[in-house]
Amino acid sequence: GENVEQHPSTLSVQEGDSAVIKCTYSDSASNYFPWYKQELGKGPQLIIDIRSNVGEKKDQRIAVTLNKTAKHFSLHITETQPEDSAVYFCAPNFRDDKIIFGKGTRLHILP
Amino acid sequence: DAMVIQNPRYQVTQFGKPVTLSCSQTLNHNVMYWYQQKSSQAPKLLFHYYDKDFNNEADTPDNFQSRRPNTSFCFLDIRSPGLGDAAMYLCATSRDPSSYNEQFFGPGTRLTVL
Repeated sequence: GENVEQHPSTLSVQEGDSAVIKCTYSDSASNYFPWYKQELGKGPQLIIDIRSNVGEKKDQRIAVTLNKTAKHFSLHITETQPEDSAVYFCAPNFRDDKIIFGKGTRLHILP
Repeated sequence: DAMVIQNPRYQVTQFGKPVTLSCSQTLNHNVMYWYQQKSSQAPKLLFHYYDKDFNNEADTPDNFQSRRPNTSFCFLDIRSPGLGDAAMYLCATSRDPSSYNEQFFGPGTRLTVL
């Protein structure tokens, strides 16, 4: 069946350090891998995405890496800042052309 | 700025009393989605409209209905809210229903059921 697992569920890192969140999916046909950020009191917002023909994509302090063989992709945030505190969701697509959100990772940036 | 607007931001209703949540968009997108998000959980898709075509998810209770009178507006009707329907309701839009497209979310309406 369609399954998405996201780890960890909570992550605390010191300001300036890096954070890594991992998402594992079940469908070998998945070919689109976005990450959404949800700040308190707001809806999710796309921050970065990657398609299956690319192994890595970077946008300033944010990067996404994809391992299609192992069926997982990861969000990397470097030089973390207080405004990075939020809940992050992966949302890979599946062969029925739908996306499924992971359960989310609550990221705390410690001063 | 083009955006997705949800009204009201907070809604309180009584058990069994019908309630309607509103969503509007200035993005001129063809698809509008309704998600339910319970505390500390992932958004769960209830249904979506592709233009005027309504697409219900198989596990969405009959208690939830939707209307899309025009491109800009979409409504979520909960006919008889139960305590378990208390949640954040998120509206989102995309250009077309392909899963490749970014979804643009509104700020959500937090529903409380007394």
